[in-house]
Amino acid sequence: DQQVKQNSPSLSVQEGRISILNCDYTNSMFDYFLWYKKYPAEGPTFLISISSIKDKNEDGRFTVFLNKSAKHLSLHIVPSQPGDSAVYFCAASDGRGGATNKLIFGTGTLLAVQP
Amino acid sequence: NAGVTQTPKFRILKIGQSMTLQCTQDMNHNYMYWYRQDPGMGLKLIYYSVGAGITDKGEVPNGYNVSRSTTEDFPLRLELAAPSQTSVYFCASSSHSQGRGSDGYTFGSGTRLTVV
Repeated sequence: DQQVKQNSPSLSVQEGRISILNCDYTNSMFDYFLWYKKYPAEGPTFLISISSIKDKNEDGRFTVFLNKSAKHLSLHIVPSQPGDSAVYFCAASDGRGGATNKLIFGTGTLLAVQP
Repeated sequence: NAGVTQTPKFRILKIGQSMTLQCTQDMNHNYMYWYRQDPGMGLKLIYYSVGAGITDKGEVPNGYNVSRSTTEDFPLRLELAAPSQTSVYFCASSSHSQGRGSDGYTFGSGTRLTVV
């Protein structure tokens, strides 16, 4: 039961263009979403987050959009740079404690930015 | 500022052997987590801790044990290693529950474990 889905295993874009990474979720209780970037042989690093009270959050070249009715979020990277080449994970949580005190991660999308 | 430190980085175990994966953080985070990542899969939560002396099971706890005697350390114990435990293991910590602080989770660099 994959509650957070990243249906594109990989994405290739040209340097300078926009990269759009997508994530879908099934649990309507999710109210907080995060994106992580992972380089080979390293741990994931936090990129950007968004609460369900917002539909957009921006940090430099990175913008996350949330469409609650569609249970969909996306990460936009503009402009894309070769150093952005990595695996991107989206993650979600539902704000409750106890047994639900965890982030649920998607399977990741490998982004390749071509020079 | 070291962040989250995991040791060892690589390990090969024989079936039935045991080992402890070490995890230390120096950010005074209350929340700590152990995840495993299998090829083509997302991160699966093994165990987590909300503070010293408090631990709880995640999604895939079978075959593992943890302890949290201090805020800084959160070791993961594998008893009777099996090939199904071949994976990359990540330790993480956070200042807020579910990574809701401004910095999300901070992950270590991982331990690549192979059981043969």
